[in-house]
Amino acid sequence: AQSVSQHNHHVILSEAASLELGCNYSYGGTVNLFWYVQYPGQHLQLLLKYFSGDPLVKGIKGFEAEFIKSKFSFNLRKPSVQWSDTAEYFCAVNLNSGAGSYQLTFGKGTKLSVIP
Amino acid sequence: DAGVTQSPTHLIKTRGQQVTLRCSPKSGHDTVSWYQQALGQGPQFIFQYYEEEERQRGNFPDRFSGHQFPNYSSELNVNALLLGDSALYLCASSHIAGGRNIQYFGAGTRLSVL
Repeated sequence: AQSVSQHNHHVILSEAASLELGCNYSYGGTVNLFWYVQYPGQHLQLLLKYFSGDPLVKGIKGFEAEFIKSKFSFNLRKPSVQWSDTAEYFCAVNLNSGAGSYQLTFGKGTKLSVIP
Repeated sequence: DAGVTQSPTHLIKTRGQQVTLRCSPKSGHDTVSWYQQALGQGPQFIFQYYEEEERQRGNFPDRFSGHQFPNYSSELNVNALLLGDSALYLCASSHIAGGRNIQYFGAGTRLSVL
């Protein structure tokens, strides 16, 4: 069964610091990859997605992620975080089996706290 | 354009009772997925409905059942509630095309079982 690992449970950064959140998955086939964000009191929102092509994908609010197939990784990055980035971040994987890809498998999430 | 809407927002039940949660998908979406998010965990897939049928199911017991209506809205039913069923239940809608399944989530229903 596929699984997703997020290495950091809680990350604390000062404003303007750079961010990298790790995500690894355990499936050797073709995958679709996602990062979702959950701001305090809000619903899960799609931050960015990867299906194919350029392994460096850009999302909303200055976030980007790089798909490294050989490392089964899809790490999230942002050069300079803001206080408003305080949220919980979830990495998710969707198998692209060719017959249709249905369920999302999520990591446990990384809580990011940005100190002003 | 309304996003994914779920009702109710909060629910308190006692052990052994039954509960029904409701979801209306985003406009243009025909597929509804349900997830359970326990405290401190990522969402876990329960099942997905498409064309009024359960298309795929995660590792949840038969006490969890669902339904999809012709207007694509969906219900999640949980019978014989256990304390461990306390969680945030999320509905996600999508329109799957070309193998691409981008799911958009509602705000969830917070279920507390006492």
